[in-house]
Amino acid sequence: EIVMTQSPATLSVSPGERATLSCRASQSVGSELAWYQQKPGQAPRLLIYGASTRATGIPARFSGSGSGTEFTLTINSLQSEDFAVYYCQQYNYYYTFGQGTKLEIK
Amino acid sequence: QVQLVESGGDLVKPGGSLRLSCAASGFTFSDYYISWIRQAPGKGLEWVSYISSSGSSIYYADSVKGRFTISRDNAKNSVHLQVNSLRVEDTAVYYCTRGGRRSLTSFDYWGQGALVTVSS
Repeated sequence: EIVMTQSPATLSVSPGERATLSCRASQSVGSELAWYQQKPGQAPRLLIYGASTRATGIPARFSGSGSGTEFTLTINSLQSEDFAVYYCQQYNYYYTFGQGTKLEIK
Repeated sequence: QVQLVESGGDLVKPGGSLRLSCAASGFTFSDYYISWIRQAPGKGLEWVSYISSSGSSIYYADSVKGRFTISRDNAKNSVHLQVNSLRVEDTAVYYCTRGGRRSLTSFDYWGQGALVTVSS
């Protein structure tokens, strides 16, 4: 099983600033990495796939980077609606998710 | 628009069974893989099972293998998850999700979820 580890567990950032979330895989997953956003009481929403491709309708302030075992989700100019939990997921070998990073308002 | 609607969630006793269903619309259902993903209360996401577009390829997480069975009916645009021998740790919201036209892709659409509670 490929283990996905996200850091930090909680990130406190002020609106308008940049947030950087990290995800590490226990072995290489190439670029087969996705990011999801989940708000309370809602299903997750796909943000990024292929490590860096934004899903349909996702604002340009969301960007993904990385390959192999190290990945980053960057959110520029944080808006109030961006405060949520973010999960990374690999789909190189079956599927596994990271434990999530909670992005909270500072 | 793409829609996935789950049903069948309920409160059941340990050892009990349920059949979860997912009704799909807004896309060519028979072209896509479908997965079930679950989320225990206050916890993260866990992939449970997937079925290929034709139904010929099926995989399960080790945690549910031998207890859960996934199936699909392309004529009715639906997927089912038969969950047997339920344990307290199976308590979760179960999401039906759309994969890609081939195996191992991200999940671009999710249903609203069906709550399964296993408790005596």
